Amino acid sequence: EAGVVQSPRYKIIEKKQPVAFWCNPISGHNTLYWYRQNLGQGPELLIRYENEEAVDDSQLPKDRFSAERLKGVDSTLKIQPAELGDSAVYLCASSLEAGRETQYFGPGTRLLVL
Amino acid sequence: QQQVKQSPQSLIVQKGGISIINCAYENTAFDYFPWYQQFPGKGPALLIAIRPDVSEKKEGRFTISFNKSAKQFSLHIMDSQPGDSATYFCAASMLEGAQKLVFGQGTRLTINP
Repeated sequence: EAGVVQSPRYKIIEKKQPVAFWCNPISGHNTLYWYRQNLGQGPELLIRYENEEAVDDSQLPKDRFSAERLKGVDSTLKIQPAELGDSAVYLCASSLEAGRETQYFGPGTRLLVL
Repeated sequence: QQQVKQSPQSLIVQKGGISIINCAYENTAFDYFPWYQQFPGKGPALLIAIRPDVSEKKEGRFTISFNKSAKQFSLHIMDSQPGDSATYFCAASMLEGAQKLVFGQGTRLTINP
């Protein structure tokens, strides 16, 4: 069974530029999460989707971050414009359904903003 | 109240020794406590998890000890091996409601051969 797929794996951009990250969850997983992991820290939730619906986006900086999950499968996280402080690893995770314990993480996208 | 505090930040253990990592939480509504293992360049992977209705769970060399009254839980790695060298994160969540994982700060474990 394929795991959570993320692309790109690495991205280097200059500040004020836009950037987008893509995630393909495990087949059949209805719940999708985006986390941000700063260097030397644990992941922090940005947004959670149940199918197509964003049910928890309280930690998403909405002035510059946006996300979508069309058709309840793949998801895209966008930053526009990027700031220096956005440099981090952006992790996507999925779980079978709401309330199921195990979240499966992808390898992440490492973003460096110069 | 959403924080999970993890210690130590880094740990060096000799091969064959016992590695112990501790976590504490404040929110009594948390009812699911997983430990994740992360290797460089990889995403976190679930190692072992516990619900608060039991005080201990063991899977192979990995054991979670849970103290509900103290709001603490710990990971014990028995017979630690060099392949266990990784960063370990404790986490907590509510399986109903918010459901988001709140992670500790992580412990970088090094097992010396």
